[in-house]
Amino acid sequence: DIVLTQSPALAVSLGQRATISCKTNQNVDYYGNSYMHWYQQKPGQQPKLLIYLASNLASGIPARFSGRGSGTDFTLTIDPVEADDTATYYCQQSRNLPWTFGGGTKLELK
Amino acid sequence: EVQLVESGGGLVQPGSSLKLSCVASGFTFSNYGMNWIRQAPKKGLEWIALIYYDSSNKYYADSVKGRFTISRDNSKNTLYLEMNSLRSEDTAMYYCAKTVEAGSFDYWGQGVMVTVSS
Repeated sequence: DIVLTQSPALAVSLGQRATISCKTNQNVDYYGNSYMHWYQQKPGQQPKLLIYLASNLASGIPARFSGRGSGTDFTLTIDPVEADDTATYYCQQSRNLPWTFGGGTKLELK
Repeated sequence: EVQLVESGGGLVQPGSSLKLSCVASGFTFSNYGMNWIRQAPKKGLEWIALIYYDSSNKYYADSVKGRFTISRDNSKNTLYLEMNSLRSEDTAMYYCAKTVEAGSFDYWGQGVMVTVSS
């Protein structure tokens, strides 16, 4: 199985940039695409897709969110951070079954 | 508007069975693969099952293989998860989620809670 590793928590100030990382133990690239996706989950809610295929913004997601990376190293950036962005962020790979998620990064405000 | 509404959860004893349903609306259900994903209390997300748009292929996480069965009825726009031999470690919120070609989950239901306890 592909293992995804995220830092457990990150604290940033309002208006600053937040960078959340996700590292995999296997390459998730295939035929020019990186099969890495990002989700936001607020307490008591279902997850919401933010970024698909590493860098594509999902429908309705503000341009403050962006993703980049390839191979085994990926990042989600939020710039600037707003109060409503406090949540847990998960990466997910779909290169190989079983599809797997990272452990999540909880974003808090300083 | 896409909607996914799960039902069928509850409190059950270890070793028992339960069947979850997920009714879809707002999109052509029969065109998309569908998944079940769960989240144990205070824990992360775990993908557990995928079914192709036409039920031609089904895949499971090792943690549920042989105990859980995913199915769908495209005439009723409904996804199912039949869960047998339930264990305490199956206690979780269960989400159904629509999948697109890249294998991301673009829409999720609100979830249904399953608690396995004596």
